[in-house]
Amino acid sequence: SYELTQPPSVSVSSGQTASITCSGDKLGDKYACWYQQKPGQSPVLVIYQDSKRPSGIPERFSGSNSGNTATLTISGTQAMDEADYYCQAWDSSTGVFGTGTKVTVL
Amino acid sequence: EVQLVESGGGLVQPGGSLRLSCAASGFTFSGYWMSWVRQAPGKGLEWVANINQDGSEKYYVDSVKGRFTISRDNAKNSLYLQMNSLRAEDTAVYYCAREILGSGRWFDPWGQGTLVTVSS
Repeated sequence: SYELTQPPSVSVSSGQTASITCSGDKLGDKYACWYQQKPGQSPVLVIYQDSKRPSGIPERFSGSNSGNTATLTISGTQAMDEADYYCQAWDSSTGVFGTGTKVTVL
Repeated sequence: EVQLVESGGGLVQPGGSLRLSCAASGFTFSGYWMSWVRQAPGKGLEWVANINQDGSEKYYVDSVKGRFTISRDNAKNSLYLQMNSLRAEDTAVYYCAREILGSGRWFDPWGQGTLVTVSS
């Protein structure tokens, strides 16, 4: 079955840039999206179609996808960005989520 | 406002059954694919199943095939997940989510989730 691998954790100083990777076989041939989940809350879409931001998502969130890796970048990270982040893609009509990354803002 | 509200979770014994519901409002429910996604306590997200607009196409993760059935009632703007032969590893918060199809597909929005606990 298809797998998406993320680093378990990323730490970033407030105001700096956080990059979260998502690795999967030929992931660049698929479309990737990203979800943010804060403790006790439901996931929220932050990036779709590799690099598009939904309405209401700050410009500091950006995405890319090429080769075997999709990347979520948070520029000028703020304390409110501390959360779990999950990448997601589709393989043979089934949904696949990444393993998840906990972002800690120092 | 687009809203999804799950219900039906609870405590069930191993081998038991449970039916989850998801009430949709604020959008044309019959025009969208819908999915169930679950999250075991302290764990990551796992896609469970989805269904197309008229219910003629359904897909499942391997671990629930033959035990779970997804369905919908467009007249009632509702999505369902019938869960049979439940196991301890099915313990999770179950979310329903609307699928948006474009170049790719994504989930937006998600419901608040309903907790299913399988334990004796």
